[in-house]
Amino acid sequence: EVQLVESGGGLVQPGGSLRLSCAASGFTFSTYGMTWVRQAPGKGLEWVANIHQGGTEKHYVDSVKGRFTISRDDAKNSLYLQMDSLRGEDTAIYYCVRSAGDSWGQGTLVTVSS
Amino acid sequence: QSVLTQPPSVSAAPGQKVTISCSGTSSNIGNNYVSWYQQLPGTAPKLLIYDNNKRPSGIPDRFSGSKSGTSATLGITGLQTGDEADYYCGAWDTSLSGRLFGGGTKLTVL
Repeated sequence: EVQLVESGGGLVQPGGSLRLSCAASGFTFSTYGMTWVRQAPGKGLEWVANIHQGGTEKHYVDSVKGRFTISRDDAKNSLYLQMDSLRGEDTAIYYCVRSAGDSWGQGTLVTVSS
Repeated sequence: QSVLTQPPSVSAAPGQKVTISCSGTSSNIGNNYVSWYQQLPGTAPKLLIYDNNKRPSGIPDRFSGSKSGTSATLGITGLQTGDEADYYCGAWDTSLSGRLFGGGTKLTVL
């Protein structure tokens, strides 16, 4: 069974940093591209970033370019999202997603507030 | 970044059929595959349709997808109260090098 388990969310002040992690199991992690998708409270889904298998190709939504970094460790079956210079508008549930969305984690809540 | 355009809400009676539209452009829906996701209240989204019209295992054939030009449609037949959820379309956008989602459609089964 495919499982994606996010962690690392929490309350952070504007301008602060957080690192989200996603532990994957039940499939050959290294052979899949991975994605982060977020959902602000009461709002729709927003694609944040994705990373191809091998980790050499990455893409970001404009609003996080230069502030967020997606990475992966295939030896640890893990996906990461380093979030710096956080803003209030980054407040959302962050989902770890396999490929284009065939499996989703339960999400981790990031709240940016003073 | 722009989103794909969906109606905010649709409704129908139990047992009836409903369709949800998703409108885009040639850089996304027109030249890339469309997926559809169901998000039940308080849960993570779940894949319903991929590659325009394919259903993952376990998704009943009451759910169907189609695409024509720069628009896509999700169809749900035999509506059940358990189908009440938010539905999102998604597609890669070649110009943006990013994935786009529709704004979501809330389905109410009256």
